Amino acid sequence: DVKVTQSSRYLVKRTGEKVFLECVQDMDHENMFWYRQDPGLGLRLIYFSYDVKMKEKGDIPEGYSVSREKKERFSLILESASTNQTSMYLCAAIEEAATEAFFGQGTRLTVV
Amino acid sequence: ELKVEQNPLFLSMQEGKNYTIYCNYSTTSDRLYWYRQDPGKSLESLFVLLSNGAVKQEGRLMASLDTKARLSTLHITAAVHDLSATYFCAVPPTGSARQLTFGSGTQLTVLP
Repeated sequence: DVKVTQSSRYLVKRTGEKVFLECVQDMDHENMFWYRQDPGLGLRLIYFSYDVKMKEKGDIPEGYSVSREKKERFSLILESASTNQTSMYLCAAIEEAATEAFFGQGTRLTVV
Repeated sequence: ELKVEQNPLFLSMQEGKNYTIYCNYSTTSDRLYWYRQDPGKSLESLFVLLSNGAVKQEGRLMASLDTKARLSTLHITAAVHDLSATYFCAVPPTGSARQLTFGSGTQLTVLP
């Protein structure tokens, strides 16, 4: 019954590394999102995509990029990881008519 | 800009008691989502409310939506410890699945 899958639950990376977080959905939904969640700051939108090869910046895109080469896959890229990017990252897929929105299991990233 | 306000932010209640969490939003929307999050975990979809007057129930939780008042409630009946979690509401603006604005979350603790 898995709908949205993130490639890793836990990840530890070094400062300056390039980091890829992968998200795959099996529902054929048009819209996919990357959020980060930090204590006291709630969920903040990093990027979203409403179609293959399309992307839009969210509220906090700095230091991140995304890739959507196939409809089912949405990747978040940290070009040069920094310690302030230590966070819980959540991927979501939302159907165009917004009748359902599902999240992946989350990736807890620690940058040391 | 769509704003979503939840209250209370923190709720401690005794087992067996009833309580309601409120979610107000600032712009037109005809649907609303409720999620549950356990510590260290991702968001689990609880309810999708798709029209004015919608009411959904699952176990001890019941959610309703009043789009005219821009208000949703999550009612807890006869709380049990297993309901301890953080509850989020989320709202897409009318006609757009490309944005989803979250409330700050309500951290619920059910005491024995």
